[in-house]
Amino acid sequence: QKEVEQNSGPLSVPEGAIASLNCTYSDRGSQSFFWYRQYSGKSPELIMSIYSNGDKEDGRFTAQLNKASQYVSLLIRDSQPSDSATYLCAVPSGYSTLTFGKGTMLLVSP
Amino acid sequence: GAGVSQSPSNKVTEKGKDVELRCDPISGHTALYWYRQSLGQGLEFLIYFQGNSAPDKSGLPSDRFSAERTGGSVSTLTIQRTQQEDSAVYLCASEEPPDTQYFGPGTRLTVL
Repeated sequence: QKEVEQNSGPLSVPEGAIASLNCTYSDRGSQSFFWYRQYSGKSPELIMSIYSNGDKEDGRFTAQLNKASQYVSLLIRDSQPSDSATYLCAVPSGYSTLTFGKGTMLLVSP
Repeated sequence: GAGVSQSPSNKVTEKGKDVELRCDPISGHTALYWYRQSLGQGLEFLIYFQGNSAPDKSGLPSDRFSAERTGGSVSTLTIQRTQQEDSAVYLCASEEPPDTQYFGPGTRLTVL
């Protein structure tokens, strides 16, 4: 059974701070990793994908991947109250399905 | 372009009734997934389609659940003899290879 683990939170940060969200996975063979954002009552929305070790930046978001340690993280710089949501980490498993973590709730206070 | 659409957005039904949930994927996406999410829980994989065939049905929780896809496009998830524990948001996603899934808005199912 492939596992994707996330701290459920909530992670509380003040507006303008850096939010750091972490995810560990069990399958050493995983090649691609995804971060989804889910606002309350809404469906998940893809925000980042990463395939190679190291950092990938997109605006205020940076995904970091360390395959040797089997973790992937998401950094949100200059956090805004509108970033308050649950962030889901996902890793491919089986036939091209994705295994999702249970998500970390982020709360950004003004 | 148009995203993934699902209907109905909300469905309230009585225990024991059958329900059909519909998913219309992004045009050209051959892979389609059904998940469900119970209140405060993570995403639970149900079934995966590649074209019209379902290589992976491992997530269907019981034989009351079935799904089909026709024409490589629209998919229908059917739940027979609904139970209260079936109450959840049912999400459909279609995939842009490799592995990038885009979700529909979901159908909120409430079984009374």
